[in-house]
Amino acid sequence: GENVEQHPSTLSVQEGDSAVIKCTYSDSASNYFPWYKQELGKRPQLIIDIRSNVGEKKDQRIAVTLNKTAKHFSLHITETQPEDSAVYFCAAKEGPNDMRFGAGTRLTVKP
Amino acid sequence: NAGVTQTPKFQVLKTGQSMTLQCAQDMNHEYMSWYRQDPGMGLRLIHYSVGAGITDQGEVPNGYNVSRSTTEDFPLRLLSAAPSQTSVYFCASSLQRGDQPQHFGDGTRLSIL
Repeated sequence: GENVEQHPSTLSVQEGDSAVIKCTYSDSASNYFPWYKQELGKRPQLIIDIRSNVGEKKDQRIAVTLNKTAKHFSLHITETQPEDSAVYFCAAKEGPNDMRFGAGTRLTVKP
Repeated sequence: NAGVTQTPKFQVLKTGQSMTLQCAQDMNHEYMSWYRQDPGMGLRLIHYSVGAGITDQGEVPNGYNVSRSTTEDFPLRLLSAAPSQTSVYFCASSLQRGDQPQHFGDGTRLSIL
């Protein structure tokens, strides 16, 4: 089955710096890669996603890159702000309907 | 629209008890799913449904049952609660398939003593 590895498990940056979170997946047939943000005690919320026919996608300060050959994808957050502090999860689709999530990255943005 | 609604928000059970976690969505989504979230392990898929009358197992289905009699509702049943099932449970839905953006409920925090 799908195995999604996520690194680092914790990340601390200064406000204004960039943050990068990386994920690898094992199923070469995976074709959908979402990223979710979860604040403490709240529900996960989708922040960006990418499909396998695209190499990069941007939405304001957030971008995701995908390398299908190497089977890894990354989340990039630029100009970080304290409100970006949260746990971020990557995921990859296995089969027609089965999503597998990474273990999460706790991002802390220090003012 | 309320989105995805889960009840209860908190529950404490004794080992061996059974209970049903409720999930309802008002977005006319075909795909619904249940995840459990444990510290350091992300979200793991328990069961999912691609439409009324259709359910399938995810990554960790043992000890849980689901049914999908209507498009709106997707209850999760714990047959005989065990301490290993202590977790936060999230229900999610998407328009048609699992490879579309999923909307999550607020979660149910379940403790098994």
